[in-house]
Amino acid sequence: DGGITQSPKYLFRKEGQNVTLSCEQNLNHDAMYWYRQDPGQGLRLIYYSQIVNDFQKGDIAEGYSVSREKKESFPLTVTSAQKNPTAFYLCASSRGQGESEAFFGQGTRLTVV
Amino acid sequence: SQKIEQNSEALNIQEGKTATLTCNYTNYSPAYLQWYRQDPGRGPVFLLLIRENEKEKRKERLKVTFDTTLKQSLFHITASQPADSATYLCALDRTGGSYIPTFGRGTSLIVHP
Repeated sequence: DGGITQSPKYLFRKEGQNVTLSCEQNLNHDAMYWYRQDPGQGLRLIYYSQIVNDFQKGDIAEGYSVSREKKESFPLTVTSAQKNPTAFYLCASSRGQGESEAFFGQGTRLTVV
Repeated sequence: SQKIEQNSEALNIQEGKTATLTCNYTNYSPAYLQWYRQDPGRGPVFLLLIRENEKEKRKERLKVTFDTTLKQSLFHITASQPADSATYLCALDRTGGSYIPTFGRGTSLIVHP
């Protein structure tokens, strides 16, 4: 059953801690993306990767880091440098070529306590 | 810079009516445009893609138009049902042909029985 899986669904973090959000896909997609969504806001691009071992900053990369060591996996670390990390995080993948649709995971809701 | 605008106010309609949602964009000439549906607490799901040389695309009760002169896409749901209630997002690929989906804020549709 092909798809993209994010975990955990809910995550609580204390201030000053780093946390890592998992994203795995078995769609054999080259491209993967991380978006952040705040209430009433659209999806803002954090990082993206179009090929293994390469990734690029999106529009709001400060305070975040990623890795792409395997085609299937694109974990996102929210560092203590991210000043307002409470949000809904969405991971997506696509073939990365023209007209390819994005497939999204179920999202991770991160709350700083 | 590229900008995508969707009506931030919720659209309330009666069951059975046609819902029409608008997506406007500026500073860009996309080769295609996509529409997604997002339910609360879930990731967006792809619905339709329309190319720049297509005026209209249909899928069951859905219809999308694309006017590259007006820089606008309209998304119609005919014979709407309460189950159609969701947020609908339009997306363009980022300037430069990098195939990175860039999303509008979305418009919330509420269909009343």
